[in-house]
Amino acid sequence: GALVYQYPRRTICKSGTSMRMECQAVGFQATSVAWYRQSPQKTFELIALSTVNSAIKYEQNFTQEKFPISHPNLSFSSMTVLNAYLEDRGLYLCGARAGQYEQYFGPGTRLTVL
Amino acid sequence: GDSVTQTEGPVTVSESESLIINCTYSATSIAYPNLFWYVRYPGEGLQLLLKVITAGQKGSSRGFEATYNKETTSFHLQKASVQESDSAVYYCALGDGDYAQGLTFGLGTRVSVFP
Repeated sequence: GALVYQYPRRTICKSGTSMRMECQAVGFQATSVAWYRQSPQKTFELIALSTVNSAIKYEQNFTQEKFPISHPNLSFSSMTVLNAYLEDRGLYLCGARAGQYEQYFGPGTRLTVL
Repeated sequence: GDSVTQTEGPVTVSESESLIINCTYSATSIAYPNLFWYVRYPGEGLQLLLKVITAGQKGSSRGFEATYNKETTSFHLQKASVQESDSAVYYCALGDGDYAQGLTFGLGTRVSVFP
């Protein structure tokens, strides 16, 4: 079946440091990969989305300089949170789209910033 | 921009009782919105519960159902008789058929079902 793995599941970093998280889609051909963040008391906000043969598109409140993403292909994606501060804490979710409608999500990486 | 508003939780319900979670949406950038309900069980990732891509249609899964009402811009989730295993956080989401676009989620509704 279609699965999306994320690693690590939980991480803690000191304020001002950076941390990298990974996402892997297994069992299907992803047509796009999206990263979302759920901050405390908020819903999932789209950070950026990658599709085949196009540049990574970042949403208004997120930048490549802060959240660089790399992926050799759409089955594997990694995102780094650079210079993390308290407002960056939350659950980071990776979603990989299969076809036009189906989007599969990983369990998320929960980031705590001290 | 697009937005989704859903019932504010937490919602507590007894087993075998009915459940309804309200969801309304505003789609300003999408001509033909697709609507989704996702569920997140404790310790797990988001799972697609059901989707409806055509206005007027009803989606159903695991005893849950939701009707896409374009006139009232609503997509309420209902279940006639809940079980303890339905305890989870439910998210209403809005998207389009373009795989190059992300989803817009509601805040989520935490549902606790007690025996």
